[in-house]
Amino acid sequence: QKEVEQDPGPLSVPEGAIVSLNCTYSNSAFQYFMWYRQYSRKGPELLMYTYSSGNKEDGRFTAQVDKSSKYISLFIRDSQPSDSATYLCAMRGAQGGSEKLVFGKGTKLTVNP
Amino acid sequence: NAGVMQNPRHLVRRRGQEARLRCSPMKGHSHVYWYRQLPEEGLKFMVYLQKENIIDESGMPKERFSAEFPKEGPSILRIQQVVRGDSAAYFCASSPQQGADDEQFFGPGTRLTVL
Repeated sequence: QKEVEQDPGPLSVPEGAIVSLNCTYSNSAFQYFMWYRQYSRKGPELLMYTYSSGNKEDGRFTAQVDKSSKYISLFIRDSQPSDSATYLCAMRGAQGGSEKLVFGKGTKLTVNP
Repeated sequence: NAGVMQNPRHLVRRRGQEARLRCSPMKGHSHVYWYRQLPEEGLKFMVYLQKENIIDESGMPKERFSAEFPKEGPSILRIQQVVRGDSAAYFCASSPQQGADDEQFFGPGTRLTVL
């Protein structure tokens, strides 16, 4: 079983739709959870950063972490064509542990005008 | 404040040659991470360095790959005797310090093509 599983898609939605992206993981030591957006042939850009379980909202983006189920989600409201990108979930252990990020494969999202 | 800088952005090498990839972290950042992204794969951790120290190299292939982050100058990822399987995008990230809330900021990557 891979440490982080993420459906690669592709996912295609109409403009204005609500998008739900998800990852599951197996390592209970993960404490920090991130979502990165990566445009084609560019570097990953941090979107959301969450510690432990709970929700975090930033504009049209909401990140949820359910540690009991080892499941994280990213919701995008009122999706725009400019949201078309690959979304990568990433996670790591607690402070004092390994600093390396473990990534999912990424989900390719297309928002159609 | 300039972001993480990587050069070259594109690098073409023939099998057996050496590849040198450079990463300049963001100003004030003393931690550097290298990741590799193979086609259709997610990013895979390779190595984590602080100035003059390798902290975690658990993701580095055992042979041909090395990394350094000298006291002065950029971090270097060096691949000797490249093979076609080394073709990938190599990303560098930096963070200010080892702390609970420290994010890793990524550079634009170096795309290595081995002919």
